[in-house]
Amino acid sequence: DQQVKQNSPSLSVQEGRISILNCDYTNSMFDYFLWYKKYPAEGPTFLISISSIKDKNEDGRFTVFLNKSAKHLSLHIVPSQPGDSAVYFCAASYTGANSKLTFGKGITLSVRP
Amino acid sequence: AAGVIQSPRHLIKEKRETATLKCYPIPRHDTVYWYQQGPGQDPQFLISFYEKMQSDKGSIPDRFSAQQFSDYHSELNMSSLELGDSALYFCASSSLAGGTYEQYFGPGTRLTVT
Repeated sequence: DQQVKQNSPSLSVQEGRISILNCDYTNSMFDYFLWYKKYPAEGPTFLISISSIKDKNEDGRFTVFLNKSAKHLSLHIVPSQPGDSAVYFCAASYTGANSKLTFGKGITLSVRP
Repeated sequence: AAGVIQSPRHLIKEKRETATLKCYPIPRHDTVYWYQQGPGQDPQFLISFYEKMQSDKGSIPDRFSAQQFSDYHSELNMSSLELGDSALYFCASSSLAGGTYEQYFGPGTRLTVT
């Protein structure tokens, strides 16, 4: 049972426009959410996170929004750049000593010049 | 800034052989996690250690074992390798005592079992 879902496998966006990557989760016990960017043959790179006590967190071009009632979060990248082209994973965890990450399947973002 | 180091980066083994993967966490990080990523799959949690004690266990086969040493580096030992063990193995570290839950990943070890 996939507890973290990224239902769109791919997204193509024009350079300079906004990229919106969506993620849904089913386990209401999750209270910490993260986004990772991954290039082939490399490890996931941490981008941004959000605690369940917040509904928005912003870091430069990246903003994550959390809607707890809908069990939905989204990553906004503005403006999108060709270097943003990669696979983006949404992940969720419980805060505490056993804070393993549960990942979604990932979404491939392509930013067209 | 120092990152998570994994060795080796690539490993080719035959069926029924053993393999040992090593992970050196970011300095002063107290928690190490191991994940397995199969082709086209999302990373799956295997096992974690907090202050050198096993803290959680996921879908790790009994043929695999792991430990964290006094210098906080960790090793994943895999025995009786099967073709299905071919995957990318990632190590990640975090500083739970520091109150941060972000995990920082190493570059991974690509294991190929032939």
